[in-house]
Amino acid sequence: AQSVTQLDSQVPVFEEAPVELRCNYSSSVSVYLFWYVQYPNQGLQLLLKYLSGSTLVKGINGFEAEFNKSQTSFHLRKPSVHISDTAEYFCAVSDLRETSGSRLTFGEGTQLTVNP
Amino acid sequence: DAGITQSPRHKVTETGTPVTLRCHQTENHRYMYWYRQDPGHGLRLIHYSYGVKDTDKGEVSDGYSVSRSKTEDFLLTLESATSSQTSVYFCAISSPGQTNTEAFFGQGTRLTVV
Repeated sequence: AQSVTQLDSQVPVFEEAPVELRCNYSSSVSVYLFWYVQYPNQGLQLLLKYLSGSTLVKGINGFEAEFNKSQTSFHLRKPSVHISDTAEYFCAVSDLRETSGSRLTFGEGTQLTVNP
Repeated sequence: DAGITQSPRHKVTETGTPVTLRCHQTENHRYMYWYRQDPGHGLRLIHYSYGVKDTDKGEVSDGYSVSRSKTEDFLLTLESATSSQTSVYFCAISSPGQTNTEAFFGQGTRLTVV
């Protein structure tokens, strides 16, 4: 079984400031890691994913995340945020066994609010 | 939107009535999932399907049933709706492989049980 903890439920920042959204996970097996973004009244859109290889993963809209196996973390960062980044962000893990496909376990979500 | 259509998009129903939500895909993905989204809980898996007529339970399956008679359609049924099932329901699809490991989500169905 896996679990995901997003350490901040709300993160308010000013426009052009850097931001970090924190995600820790636990699992008894190797996992794949994802960050999804949800804009108001919409579905979830993939920001980035870590499958293997380089621990620094770059995604869309200038976001990046770093996988840290020893700390079981996958924090999301952006060096300079825009008003349009205001959304809810979800960290998720999947163990990708054949019979479970991309069955995802999600964190509780972090609401990022970018203020002018 | 990765070719996923959820219907209806909004529904209000009374306690005790049956409700069926539909997810339709045009991508021929093998796997389909139903999640519910509630404040403070993120998304939680209700049921999923790994092929036609092949389904399995997720972590919050009580009170829900599913059916998949065709590759493109995955139905979620609440046999007797309760207020605790008021939520936003998302369908997702995937075809996991070496490079394609993400799930694609529909726009959601907002269900209110009164």
